[in-house]
Amino acid sequence: DAKTTQPTSMDCAEGRAANLPCNHSTISGNEYVYWYRQIHSQGPQYIIHGLKNNETNEMASLIITEDRKSSTLILPHATLRDTAVYYCIVRVTGGGADGLTFGKGTHLIIQP
Amino acid sequence: DAGVIQSPRHEVTEMGQEVTLRCKPISGHDYLFWYRQTMMRGLELLIYFNNNVPIDDSGMPEDRFSAKMPNASFSTLKIQPSEPRDSAVYFCATRDGLSYNEQFFGPGTRLTVL
Repeated sequence: DAKTTQPTSMDCAEGRAANLPCNHSTISGNEYVYWYRQIHSQGPQYIIHGLKNNETNEMASLIITEDRKSSTLILPHATLRDTAVYYCIVRVTGGGADGLTFGKGTHLIIQP
Repeated sequence: DAGVIQSPRHEVTEMGQEVTLRCKPISGHDYLFWYRQTMMRGLELLIYFNNNVPIDDSGMPEDRFSAKMPNASFSTLKIQPSEPRDSAVYFCATRDGLSYNEQFFGPGTRLTVL
């Protein structure tokens, strides 16, 4: 799996959009970008994933640059419950490589 | 569905004792993963199963660790003998074999070995 780089921590005001960056300059053509988050004392939770097109679901939006070397997870209206560690993971799917490799992630703190 | 169920939620034991952690996957999910989380090493994959068969156990740290999945509804992770450095939160996760999208994680078992 390609290596990812994320800021260690970020702050965001409640109600504002939280934009979490991720660099993955060594990503290969068949690797997807996945985002998970881990709220304190809970198991990780899937957020969203994408290959090259921008994606949106009920939780967040994922913007992937055209060269696919970086991406941004956007939480459009952050709430206090969004305070968590956010993990950007780049991986192929299937072919026996089914486990997730977690980095250190970004600790997002939503300020009231 | 109740989600992934793990038991016990907390376990405190003494060095040298056998520890067994349990996981009940979401019904119909045919992939099951065991992860361990520590402050030093973060979240790391230990082993995973597909249709009850171990596929990759390269993350299992030592022979003291073993995992089984006797049927589609149950898996165990056993540590024998336990050591203080095994103290961690152990997560079980499962996913549907038809979808690569997401793994569903259980609440974890916090293990403390004294």
